[in-house]
Amino acid sequence: QKEVEQDPGPLSVPEGAIVSLNCTYSNSAFQYFMWYRQYSRKGPELLMYTYSSGNKEDGRFTAQVDKSSKYISLFIRDSQPSDSATYLCATPGSSNYQLIWGAGTKLIIKP
Amino acid sequence: KAGVTQTPRYLIKTRGQQVTLSCSPISGHRSVSWYQQTPGQGLQFLFEYFSETQRNKGNFPGRFSGRQFSNSRSEMNVSTLELGDSALYLCASSIGTGVNEQFFGPGTRLTVL
Repeated sequence: QKEVEQDPGPLSVPEGAIVSLNCTYSNSAFQYFMWYRQYSRKGPELLMYTYSSGNKEDGRFTAQVDKSSKYISLFIRDSQPSDSATYLCATPGSSNYQLIWGAGTKLIIKP
Repeated sequence: KAGVTQTPRYLIKTRGQQVTLSCSPISGHRSVSWYQQTPGQGLQFLFEYFSETQRNKGNFPGRFSGRQFSNSRSEMNVSTLELGDSALYLCASSIGTGVNEQFFGPGTRLTVL
């Protein structure tokens, strides 16, 4: 079992919809999680990070961690075609020098 | 402020050859990490350099090596290339060590024939 699991998609939704992207993790000791966005032919770009449980909001993006089910989510409100990209979840796990990555979910927002 | 730059952007090599990739971090950033990204394995950590010293290393064979110069620029070398080394190689820089605020470059797409 991988330490961080993520459905690779693709996930296709109409413009304006609420998007839910999800990851599960295996180790309950993991506490710090990030969401990255990667456009085609670009490197990953840090979107948000969250610590432990709860929600964190930044504009149209909300990151959520559910420690009881070891589940992390990224919600995108009022999705735009420019949000079309691959979204990766990551965690430092038990270290602070390397990230453990999900496979990335390819998101397509249809105009 | 200029972002992380990587050269070359694309590279085609044949099996058995060696290759050197270059990364220039954001000005003022002293840490450089390297990652390999493939469709099958996703992103995997190669190594991290800080102040010209390798601080951490991932689970890759010794064919993969790197170094960092006094100006924080970093190079990564892969010797005796194998078909499975075909990947996007990403460099990320940060002010200090750790993964909290890493900024990624666009990557070098390596194809091994």
